[in-house]
Amino acid sequence: QVQLVQSGAEVKKPGASVKVSCKASGYTLTSYYIHWVRQAPGQGLEWMGIINPSGDDTRSAQKFQGRVTMTRDTSTSTVYMELSSLRSEDTAVYYCATSGTYLSWLDAWGQGTLVTVSS
Amino acid sequence: DIQMTQSPSSLSASVGDRVTITCQASQDISNYLNWYQQKPGKAPKLLIYDASNLETGVTSRFSGGGSGTDFTFTIRSLQPEDIATYYCQQFDSPPLTFGGGTKVEIK
Repeated sequence: QVQLVQSGAEVKKPGASVKVSCKASGYTLTSYYIHWVRQAPGQGLEWMGIINPSGDDTRSAQKFQGRVTMTRDTSTSTVYMELSSLRSEDTAVYYCATSGTYLSWLDAWGQGTLVTVSS
Repeated sequence: DIQMTQSPSSLSASVGDRVTITCQASQDISNYLNWYQQKPGKAPKLLIYDASNLETGVTSRFSGGGSGTDFTFTIRSLQPEDIATYYCQQFDSPPLTFGGGTKVEIK
């Protein structure tokens, strides 16, 4: 099964941007859709968006549209999620996860990246 | 967006008990429903996909059922290692949405 390794924790000021990476260990991500899901402290899971295997199609939840950018570098099998105009409510653990199709189950997850937004 | 309502939000049961969690969708989602387990400080783990299919390597003490709008997740005989929060998730239509979670504790 694919193992996903995410970048480390980040501390950002309100209004800044953060870019989180997600890389497959021992596998290539070129066949997988990659989702981004976040979890605020003590809260549930919230789907943010998805990028297709070739990286030329992304969809995001309406609340993140205009603020989230998902990209992938096929040469390094790495996927990126950038969230801009950060506010305190964006403090959360951000996860990447794979699926075999656009709408499906999420069968492999990264370890999570804590993003803290604080002045 | 499809709303997913889980109940209860938490439960406490004894080792060996049968535990059932329900998940209700705000509209018909056929069998496009998955279940995940999340332990503290860890990423979610897929347990059940397509409402009733057990993911490879997952204990058979876990099972899922239902279709349309009403779904269940059952732990046949609760064990200490099952202490976690469980989430349902629909994939009938975007955005993917999750239930609010059910925290399972040992009595």
